[in-house]
Amino acid sequence: DGGITQSPKYLFRKEGQNVTLSCEQNLNHDAMYWYRQDPGQGLRLIYYSQIVNDFQKGDIAEGYSVSREKKESFPLTVTSAQKNPTAFYLCASSIGMKNIQYFGAGTRLSVL
Amino acid sequence: AQRVTQPEKLLSVFKGAPVELKCNYSYSGSPELFWYVQYSRQRLQLLLRHISRESIKGFTADLNKGETSFHLKKPFAQEEDSAMYYCALSVDKLVFGAGTILRVKS
Repeated sequence: DGGITQSPKYLFRKEGQNVTLSCEQNLNHDAMYWYRQDPGQGLRLIYYSQIVNDFQKGDIAEGYSVSREKKESFPLTVTSAQKNPTAFYLCASSIGMKNIQYFGAGTRLSVL
Repeated sequence: AQRVTQPEKLLSVFKGAPVELKCNYSYSGSPELFWYVQYSRQRLQLLLRHISRESIKGFTADLNKGETSFHLKKPFAQEEDSAMYYCALSVDKLVFGAGTILRVKS
């Protein structure tokens, strides 16, 4: 495996706690994305970034925050405001917004 | 708004039977469409894109602009085809359908 690394593989959140999911890529891609995957709902876009120091809200950004300080890194913070955080989170990257996306192995977040 | 519809949550077929995973999209311009696949315990990955017009693992998909469809087809299903399949539409960004689980029974 290479390209896009997500960590940790499993994460548990206590009520009221913020947690951060890591996503790193060594593909030299400009664009990066965070998706949430729930059974029966497919992939829903949380946030995306087309370039360093810039990011945009996706379809379900409430309760989440991101940063893009480096080209290689696009961490996602699940805040306490996200009332239903239990899901599988996927990070992806692409050369540009319309190009093929490459995905990480995912992080499964559960609430204690 | 752009939308992708995959009407079947689960499609179950026998090995050797033909497979058709349906995908319809809503977009008035010239779309760019993809099929992504997620095998058990593997990453989501691109299966094929319509502009390539190629067959991958025996799968093909034809864009029908009149019916706004991009169905995925394979003439003879194999057990290793069992996976989650997502259709996706690219305009300014990718929009995914809800996905279809394909189960190929022996």
